[in-house]
Amino acid sequence: SYELTQPPSVSVSPGQTASITCSGDKLGDKYACWYQQKLGQSPVLVIYQDNKRPSGIPERFSGSNSGNTATLTISGTQAMDEADYYCQAWDSSTVVFGGGTKLTVL
Amino acid sequence: QITLKESGPTLVKPTQTLTLTCTFSGFSLSTSGVGVGWIRQPPGKALEWLALIYWDDDKRYSPSLKSRLTITKDTSKNQVVLTMTNMDPVDTATYYCAHSSGYYVDYWGPGTLVTVSS
Repeated sequence: SYELTQPPSVSVSPGQTASITCSGDKLGDKYACWYQQKLGQSPVLVIYQDNKRPSGIPERFSGSNSGNTATLTISGTQAMDEADYYCQAWDSSTVVFGGGTKLTVL
Repeated sequence: QITLKESGPTLVKPTQTLTLTCTFSGFSLSTSGVGVGWIRQPPGKALEWLALIYWDDDKRYSPSLKSRLTITKDTSKNQVVLTMTNMDPVDTATYYCAHSSGYYVDYWGPGTLVTVSS
């Protein structure tokens, strides 16, 4: 079965750039999306179709996807961005989630 | 405004069948391209996709759980129902229903915690 691999944790200082990766076989040939989940809340879509931002998502969130890796980038990271982040893609007509990355802003 | 809400038992016994209902508003499941799916999250763990049903009744299931899952829709009631058989304590999780109009989920319900215990 298809797997998406994320680092368990990423740390960033406020105002700096955070990058969270998601790796999967030929992931660049698929659409990747990203969800943010704060403690006790439902996930929120922050990036879809590799690099598109839904309405209401700040411009500091951006995405890319090439080769075997999709990347979520948060520029000028704020304390409110501290959350778990999950990548997701489709493979063989089924949905696959990554294992999630805890972003700590300190 | 699209909203979804999950309902069902909060506690089930091992071996029982779980039935969850997703009641939604703000869209129609008869609209081309629209789907409603289920995702779960065990306490402290990652999201796991379960199933998805489309406007044309096309159904997709997680390969690892396919034998235990059934997803159906009632377009007139704006509801989607998920059944999971042979529940086990490892199935304890928050179960989310969600709206999809592409290769992603754009709206999520608040989730419902289901505990499996005797």
